[in-house]
Order: sequence, then C-alpha cells, then structure tokens
Amino acid sequence: QKEVEQDPGPLSVPEGAIVSLNCTYSNSAFQYFMWYRQYSRKGPELLMYTYSSGNKEDGRFTAQVDKSSKYISLFIRDSQPSDSATYLCAMSGSGGYNKLIFGAGTRLAVHP
Amino acid sequence: EAGVAQSPRYKIIEKRQSVAFWCNPISGHATLYWYQQILGQGPKLLIQFQNNGVVDDSQLPKDRFSAERLKGVDSTLKIQPAKLEDSAVYLCASSPAVGGGLYGYTFGSGTRLTVV
Repeated sequence: QKEVEQDPGPLSVPEGAIVSLNCTYSNSAFQYFMWYRQYSRKGPELLMYTYSSGNKEDGRFTAQVDKSSKYISLFIRDSQPSDSATYLCAMSGSGGYNKLIFGAGTRLAVHP
Repeated sequence: EAGVAQSPRYKIIEKRQSVAFWCNPISGHATLYWYQQILGQGPKLLIQFQNNGVVDDSQLPKDRFSAERLKGVDSTLKIQPAKLEDSAVYLCASSPAVGGGLYGYTFGSGTRLTVV
C-alpha cells in the first residue's frame, strides 16, 4: 500500500464548475499537508498549505484535512481554463528532517 | 527572488551512457532536494542535503546515481551508467530550513531525461 493515494484522473469539467480533488494516506504521523499545482513541463508550485486538521481558504481554493479519516481535499470554485494542470497532494511529519511524500497527481482539464 | 535554476532542460542519451544535472537553489536556502518524477507519477525523493551534508539518500540507487552539494550551494546529480527506466524528469527543490513540512519547497522546472 502506498503511503499517499491519489486518483490520477483525468478530470474534465466545464468552466465555472466546482472541482473536488482528494487524497488518502496511511501514515498517522503526517502533520503537514500541501497541494501543489504543476503545469505541463514545469516544476510543482505550492498552492495551499495546512497544518493538522481543519480548513483553509485562499480565494477560489479551499483545502480540508480530516486526520481522523486520513483524508484531504482541495476544492476549486468557479474553475477557470487557467486551472488546467496536474494537482499533487503532499504531506510530511513533524520531525526535523521529514521529507514530503507526494501523491501521483490528478490531471485536471477545465474547458471553456 | 530568483527561483531554483536547473540545467539542462532536456537531455537524450543512450543507455549505459552517463549524464549530469545541475541545480542552483534559492539564495540562502539551506536544504536542497533531488526528486525523480516518472511520467504519470508523483515526485519521489532521491536525496536531501542540509547545507553540504546528506540527511536522506535512502531511495537513491547508489550503484548508478551520485550527488554532491559543494560549499552548501549548487548541486549536481549524476547517473552512470543510465538505464531505460531512468527516463524521467529530475526536479531540484530547496527550502529555507529543515522540515519541508514547515515551509514547503520551491521547485525548479526540472530536467527531462530520455534514455534510448
């Protein structure tokens, strides 16, 4: 079993739709949860960052963490064609040298 | 703030040849990471440096891969000899301090390696 599971998609939605992206994980030591966005032929860029459980909102993006279920989500409201990218969840523990473990990424296409 | 610089952007080599990638992290970032991203998969950590010391190389295939970070700044990753399964994007990332979870990472655009 992988430490982080993420449905690779692809996910295709019309412009303006609400998008829900999800990851599950198995390591209960994970404390930091992130979402990265990766455009084609580019490196991942940090989109959202959450510590422990709870919600965090930033503009059209909302990140949710449910540690009891080992489940994290990213919601995109009013999706735009410019949101078309691969979204990677990533997480790490709280120790000094804990590395980020990534999901496989979900490819999203928002069509006009 | 300048980002993480990587070169070359693309490289095509034949199997059993050697190849080297270069990374220049964000100025002042103590921690540097090399990740391998195979098509359709998430990035996988190969090696993590704290300044010029290695803190995690547990997933680095040491029989063919090597990496160094001279003077705690630039880093090179080398593959010798390359295999077909090494075809991937090699991403370099840096963060201000230990614990990527606290700060997240800044990634470069990567080097796309094709082994034929």
